[in-house]
Amino acid sequence: NAGVTQTPKFQVLKTGQSMTLQCAQDMNHEYMSWYRQDPGMGLRLIHYSVGAGITDQGEVPNGYNVSRSTTEDFPLRLLSAAPSQTSVYFCASSYSVGQPQHFGDGTRLSIL
Amino acid sequence: RKEVEQDPGPFNVPEGATVAFNCTYSNSASQSFFWYRQDCRKEPKLLMSVYSSGNEDGRFTAQLNRASQYISLLIRDSKLSDSATYLCVVNRNFNKFYFGSGTKLNVKP
Repeated sequence: NAGVTQTPKFQVLKTGQSMTLQCAQDMNHEYMSWYRQDPGMGLRLIHYSVGAGITDQGEVPNGYNVSRSTTEDFPLRLLSAAPSQTSVYFCASSYSVGQPQHFGDGTRLSIL
Repeated sequence: RKEVEQDPGPFNVPEGATVAFNCTYSNSASQSFFWYRQDCRKEPKLLMSVYSSGNEDGRFTAQLNRASQYISLLIRDSKLSDSATYLCVVNRNFNKFYFGSGTKLNVKP
């Protein structure tokens, strides 16, 4: 049982490039979410999904898109990378809304 | 005002000590509460949920005070392996989770 799998683990981008961070879970969880973690600020919610075909914005959605075409996958797209998006990104899932979440091991993203 | 506030620490304690962390939350409509543990450069991992009546899991005790809007975590008989950052998490509207920035604990021999 792999849990929540994130790829890649590390990535360096140039300003203006786009990329997709992948997240997959094999626990049949309905709720999935993306966070970014910056020093001194804790984790902040970017986008979340309560089921396939349903997504919504969190606290810091600007510059990011998501989609949820299947229960298992919840990719996060950076449309035009900016240095302010340098961060550690975590994907998480839970069986249903309000339940404790399981986290992937993160993607460390640097934008030059 | 932040949704969730924690003392960043660090709390430096000897092995065997008892240590307590508090966390305050700003929105009285918050519905569920959790403590997570995060080791350096690792993902957060659920330590325990926090229930209104208080709950215990081995050496760890969590309390919730809705009137004062704070959550506490007590660790008894601290171990070296308890050294980590402890994150307070609050859930509101079921869909959104708000994380504190964490309290760092160092347990020393």
